[in-house]
Amino acid sequence: NAGVTQTPKFQVLKTGQSMTLQCAQDMNHNSMYWYRQDPGMGLRLIYYSASEGTTDKGEVPNGYNVSRLNKREFSLRLESAAPSQTSVYFCASSEAHGGVNTEAFFGQGTRLTVV
Amino acid sequence: AQRVTQPEKLLSVFKGAPVELKCNYSYSGSPELFWYVQYSRQRLQLLLRHISRESIKGFTADLNKGETSFHLKKPFAQEEDSAMYYCALSAWYSSASKIIFGSGTRLSIRP
Repeated sequence: NAGVTQTPKFQVLKTGQSMTLQCAQDMNHNSMYWYRQDPGMGLRLIYYSASEGTTDKGEVPNGYNVSRLNKREFSLRLESAAPSQTSVYFCASSEAHGGVNTEAFFGQGTRLTVV
Repeated sequence: AQRVTQPEKLLSVFKGAPVELKCNYSYSGSPELFWYVQYSRQRLQLLLRHISRESIKGFTADLNKGETSFHLKKPFAQEEDSAMYYCALSAWYSSASKIIFGSGTRLSIRP
């Protein structure tokens, strides 16, 4: 019953460093998402992927890149971290087709601090 | 553009009192709306969705297309209801869907 698994759980980066957040789901979902959660701003969509091989920008894509490696995995990369990217990052997946989106399942989150 | 608005950052009520968490949306298509909840130290999880029209943990939400609202209600609040609540909208682009969340409301139930 793994569901959605994110790694790492915590990370501290220096400004300018790069890193990749990993996400994998074992529910055979077609859609996957990356969000950031900031106080007072809720969850903001960074990127999403409707299917293997496709990715689209969300509300706040600047400073991030993503890769939908296969149906299971969807990674988020920060090429040059900035303090403004300090946040809690969540990966999620859902089954979306025929105009209906099922329940989204979330990972446990990655708490990232950029100093 | 799609948008979900939750006007209250914090809502504090006494145990046993009624609760209403407000949610308004902006979407040109046929909306698919959800309420998610995040309890302390737990993952975000689905509370209910408008398609199901069910009551979960005593909570209900009715989609009002005229007022573009999907408010979450419970007649008698319990202490275990204290959590962060997010309203969400599933928006469709061609054959792809993205889920947009509101800014969240922290519900605090006082004993």
